[in-house]
Amino acid sequence: SQQGEEDPQALSIQEGENATMNCSYKTSINNLQWYRQNSGRGLVHLILIRSNEREKHSGRLRVTLDTSKKSSSLLITASRAADTASYFCATAKNTGTASKLTFGTGTRLQVTL
Amino acid sequence: DAGITQSPRHKVTETGTPVTLRCHQTENHRYMYWYRQDPGHGLRLIHYSYGVKDTDKGEVSDGYSVSRSKTEDFLLTLESATSSQTSVYFCAILGSGNTIYFGEGSWLTVV
Repeated sequence: SQQGEEDPQALSIQEGENATMNCSYKTSINNLQWYRQNSGRGLVHLILIRSNEREKHSGRLRVTLDTSKKSSSLLITASRAADTASYFCATAKNTGTASKLTFGTGTRLQVTL
Repeated sequence: DAGITQSPRHKVTETGTPVTLRCHQTENHRYMYWYRQDPGHGLRLIHYSYGVKDTDKGEVSDGYSVSRSKTEDFLLTLESATSSQTSVYFCAILGSGNTIYFGEGSWLTVV
């Protein structure tokens, strides 16, 4: 079953605008990570936020985490055409043998000129 | 780039034939993973490994087996491929800071 569910499933914005994607999950986590996937490529890690953190920044990316609501958001500011991709959230839970990620189904972001 | 190489990158095979996908890493990471990606399902964990000869099942392990005889190689085998196993397969490793890094994927079509 899916741990993370992204919202919206698809988002179309113009270059320069901000893009916000949301992720909800069901169980307790150790951390939450966001990934980007360009068409036909592998996933690229963007940012990790730990369960005891509430906000994190990396360049034009801002991630928030609300563990009480079991939700996270990814904000991309001043979007560019190169940001066009699918974005996935993944929740991590450390088991006795490994850290395992559970992914959502992703948000497809289209940034137009 | 976490030094992950997947092979083959693209393969078409017939139903009922065995298929092995290889994941090779160059940075001596202990944990390795195999995921499959399908439309509407995101990425789902098939199997993972926490050391040489130490493997465990993920959420969609039926029809798949894995082996890890060396730290650098993690093999995924479909003993008898079915059309439902047509998918994109991603290998991943657990890197520093609990970050998981992915390979470029292997596109498998079972006809």
